[in-house]
Amino acid sequence: DQQVKQNSPSLSVQEGRISILNCDYTNSMFDYFLWYKKYPAEGPTFLISISSIKDKNEDGRFTVFLNKSAKHLSLHIVPSQPGDSAVYFCAAMSGAGSYQLTFGKGTKLSVIP
Amino acid sequence: DTGVSQDPRHKITKRGQNVTFRCDPISEHNRLYWYRQTLGQGPEFLTYFQNEAQLEKSRLLSDRFSAERPKGSFSTLEIQRTEQGDSAMYLCASSSLNQPQHFGDGTRLSIL
Repeated sequence: DQQVKQNSPSLSVQEGRISILNCDYTNSMFDYFLWYKKYPAEGPTFLISISSIKDKNEDGRFTVFLNKSAKHLSLHIVPSQPGDSAVYFCAAMSGAGSYQLTFGKGTKLSVIP
Repeated sequence: DTGVSQDPRHKITKRGQNVTFRCDPISEHNRLYWYRQTLGQGPEFLTYFQNEAQLEKSRLLSDRFSAERPKGSFSTLEIQRTEQGDSAMYLCASSSLNQPQHFGDGTRLSIL
């Protein structure tokens, strides 16, 4: 039973264009969401997060959108750069006394120069 | 901020042997987490410490697994009588209150 789903295993985008990575969740108790970026042979690196009381959070080229009614979030990267090529993981946390993160399977983003 | 440090980076062992991994969190972080990641999957939660207290354990953490954080600083994860299915990347993360978890580069375990 996968509570966090990233249905696109891979995505290719031209440099300078927008990258949109999607994530769906099923657990209504999730109230905090994070995106991590992972390069080969390295651990995941925190990118951006959003609380369920917001519907948008922006940090430079990265924006995360949350649609609670649809249980859907997305990460927008604009403009995309070759250095953004990595695996992106969506993660969720329930604030009800638990600190564990539940991760999706990841989406491999390739930004083509 | 020297980041989360994990040792060793790679471990190869024979089935049935015991292995122990170490994690040194970011120094000011009082929360420490262990995750396991297999090929094609996202990290899966194993256990969580606040200071020296182990407050959460996943059902993935079988009797063969034990984790400690004796002085509230570094942590160890031991796997006894390793099995083929234990082959994975073991990730450690740390955080302070209400801050995102920061991950180390992991220990890759291979069971022969």
